Amino acid sequence: DTEVTQTPKHLVMGMTNKKSLKCEQHMGHRAMYWYKQKAKKPPELMFVYSYEKLSINESVPSRFSPECPNSSLLNLHLHALQPEDSALYLCASSAPGRGLEQYFGPGTRLTVT
Amino acid sequence: SQQGEEDPQALSIQEGENATMNCSYKTSINNLQWYRQNSGRGLVHLILIRSNEREKHSGRLRVTLDTSKKSSSLLITASRAADTASYFCATDATGAQKLVFGQGTRLTINP
Repeated sequence: DTEVTQTPKHLVMGMTNKKSLKCEQHMGHRAMYWYKQKAKKPPELMFVYSYEKLSINESVPSRFSPECPNSSLLNLHLHALQPEDSALYLCASSAPGRGLEQYFGPGTRLTVT
Repeated sequence: SQQGEEDPQALSIQEGENATMNCSYKTSINNLQWYRQNSGRGLVHLILIRSNEREKHSGRLRVTLDTSKKSSSLLITASRAADTASYFCATDATGAQKLVFGQGTRLTINP
């Protein structure tokens, strides 16, 4: 299984809502990533988990809260988002010793109204 | 910004022609990778070239790396309509433990 899955595919939420994005991989990868991507721009790294511990937070606002319950799962909890947070949110994973070669999920298209 | 620069930003060619896109970066690297992204989808890893390698091939893809110029190129030969996508280079900078993506090239293959 060489797939990273993400749910939901699409999400529309109001600025007062709380929602979560979910990412799952069963490749035994021990590093998992959240990226944000705006239209016609490259992915921007948000968070990195390594062996289930948060290793990098790219100064992301606290309205985004990551969680790694186990080595296969990665969540991104969303609360009090702004319209400018609307974007494609991508999850990725990588194996140790593979030079950060990353496998990406299909993304969640988030719209904040 | 640590992000690399890619050129051209957009490239439109006829099916069967070769497509070349370039990437420049700023720091010393462990490796450089190329990814493809179809519209609104996730990225797909294409090829990884290590800092001590100068050229690498994978099917119709040829990647070169010049660490003295801090630049790389991706050549897609005999292009197909299915190659239409955005292409990003990404560098694994020494000590950074993360990838930094270039701005991307939007490639359109016209049938």
